[in-house]
Amino acid sequence: NAGVTQTPKFRVLKTGQSMTLLCAQDMNHEYMYWYRQDPGMGLRLIHYSVGEGTTAKGEVPDGYNVSRLKKQNFLLGLESAAPSQTSVYFCASKQGGTAYEQYFGPGTRLTVT
Amino acid sequence: AQSVTQLGSHVSVSEGALVLLRCNYSSSVPPYLFWYVQYPNQGLQLLLKYTSAATLVKGINGFEAEFKKSETSFHLTKPSAHMSDAAEYFCAVTRGSGNTPLVFGKGTRLSVIA
Repeated sequence: NAGVTQTPKFRVLKTGQSMTLLCAQDMNHEYMYWYRQDPGMGLRLIHYSVGEGTTAKGEVPDGYNVSRLKKQNFLLGLESAAPSQTSVYFCASKQGGTAYEQYFGPGTRLTVT
Repeated sequence: AQSVTQLGSHVSVSEGALVLLRCNYSSSVPPYLFWYVQYPNQGLQLLLKYTSAATLVKGINGFEAEFKKSETSFHLTKPSAHMSDAAEYFCAVTRGSGNTPLVFGKGTRLSVIA
């Protein structure tokens, strides 16, 4: 099993450009999450999904959109990138149920100039 | 609402010394608590979790944590630090019911000095 994979690993965007980050998991997990990690801020939840076709806002959703058309994939979109979106983005997934752990991908380092 | 406070953004210990990373939580209902570790340029991986069973939880790599309801704490300890323990550690909390997302602390970077 590959676990949770993220594409791409690195990306540099100019202000105003758009892009999509792809997260894929092969563990048949119901729940998927997108976080951003910034120095001294820990991980902050952007959006999450509790099943195929569903999405919900997290703590910092502004400027991002998501889609979960297939159970194994969770896409994070930036329609018009801003320098404040420079960050490391992590995807995670888990089985249904509160007690289960989240499995994290390796991260995408995004720089917006 | 739940929240997590990790005391100390950076902790430095000598190799072989006790590791103590502090985590206090705020939750209006019984919580589930997690410790994750992040090695440089990697994602997070689970060290251990508390899910209302034994209050002393043992995890991987010799780490353990004790849930103390009276102190609303879930501190992470390891008796003897190894160089390989140098990483960032995150405490996280969620409610013990429903499927609310995890709330993470800001992290504590552990340095181990030879």
